[in-house]
Amino acid sequence: AQSVTQPDIHITVSEGASLELRCNYSYGATPYLFWYVQSPGQGLQLLLKYFSGDTLVQGIKGFEAEFKRSQSSFNLRKPSVHWSDAAEYFCAERGVIKAAGNKLTFGGGTRVLVKP
Amino acid sequence: DAGVIQSPRHEVTEMGQEVTLRCKPISGHNSLFWYRQTMMRGLELLIYFNNNVPIDDSGMPEDRFSAKMPNASFSTLKIQPSEPRDSAVYFCASSAPGTGYTGELFFGEGSRLTVL
Repeated sequence: AQSVTQPDIHITVSEGASLELRCNYSYGATPYLFWYVQSPGQGLQLLLKYFSGDTLVQGIKGFEAEFKRSQSSFNLRKPSVHWSDAAEYFCAERGVIKAAGNKLTFGGGTRVLVKP
Repeated sequence: DAGVIQSPRHEVTEMGQEVTLRCKPISGHNSLFWYRQTMMRGLELLIYFNNNVPIDDSGMPEDRFSAKMPNASFSTLKIQPSEPRDSAVYFCASSAPGTGYTGELFFGEGSRLTVL
């Protein structure tokens, strides 16, 4: 079955430091991959997405992610975090079957805490 | 522009009662999704509709759950009878035609359900 793994449940980072969140996906052919962010009490917001082409994708809020097929990974990065980046981050993969349309499978999430 | 609108934002009810959650997708979007979020199971897709037709309801936990989409601008998720294990945050999300299978979902702010 299709699965998305986020190995880190919690990450604490100092404001201004760099951040990297790990994501591994299970379907290796041509995945459609996403990162969403959820601020406390809010719904999820799309940060960035990868379909094909350049393996380094830029998103909103200064985030980027790199697709590595050899490692089945799609890690999210930010060079310098801000206190407002404290949130939960979800990696997701689109359904394997085309008929599944926009059906997404989400990872378990990584909660990011930002220290002053 | 109005995003996905969910109501109620919070619901507290007693076991055995009927619960109805409502969702208004973004105007012009033709796919609608109901997700459930819990600490134990993360984000789970319950059901999704395309052009008001249920496409995949394999995530609906049991017969106590039902969802309808009578028109393009309204959907309901009903739990009858409710049980304490149904306590969760229920998210509605929609996506636009033309995004094909790109998986870009727009989420509402969620309905937090507590069943006592």
